[in-house]
Amino acid sequence: GENVEQHPSTLSVQEGDSAVIKCTYSDSASNYFPWYKQELGKGPQLIIDIRSNVGEKKDQRIAVTLNKTAKHFSLHITETQPEDSAVYFCAAMGGGADGLTFGKGTHLIIQP
Amino acid sequence: KAGVTQTPRYLIKTRGQQVTLSCSPISGHRSVSWYQQTPGQGLQFLFEYFSETQRNKGNFPGRFSGRQFSNSRSEMNVSTLELGDSALYLCASSIDREEGELFFGEGSRLTVL
Repeated sequence: GENVEQHPSTLSVQEGDSAVIKCTYSDSASNYFPWYKQELGKGPQLIIDIRSNVGEKKDQRIAVTLNKTAKHFSLHITETQPEDSAVYFCAAMGGGADGLTFGKGTHLIIQP
Repeated sequence: KAGVTQTPRYLIKTRGQQVTLSCSPISGHRSVSWYQQTPGQGLQFLFEYFSETQRNKGNFPGRFSGRQFSNSRSEMNVSTLELGDSALYLCASSIDREEGELFFGEGSRLTVL
């Protein structure tokens, strides 16, 4: 089945700086890659996603890039703000029947 | 439009008991998936229902089961509870899972003593 590795597990950045979270996946048949933000006591919230026919997608301060050849995708957050502090999960879905396979999560800390 | 609603939000059970969790998807969504979230294993796929049929199943023992009703609402059941079943159980709905875009509820936090 699919295996998703996510790095780093914790990321601390100064407010206003950029944050980058990286994920790799193993199943070349995977074709959908969403990113979720989870705040304490809440369920994961979809923040951006990308499909395998696209290399990059942006939504205001958030962007995701996908490299199908290398089987990795990244989340970029620019001009970070205190409300960006949360746990971020990458995920992949595709060929198999296992639903979304999630990375282990990145705890993003925005330092004031 | 209302989001995914899960009940109960918190519950405490003892080993050997069983538990039933409920999920009401977003109106118009026909696919409901269930995930288990623990600190050690992260988010793991349990199963997915579409039009009252289990379409996919993750790698969990048979003690974990579910069903979906004609109005797309779903329940999951865990029998013979073990300490390791303590987790946040998340329900996610989508128009059709094949299209992605899963929307999660707040989860049901189960503690097994």
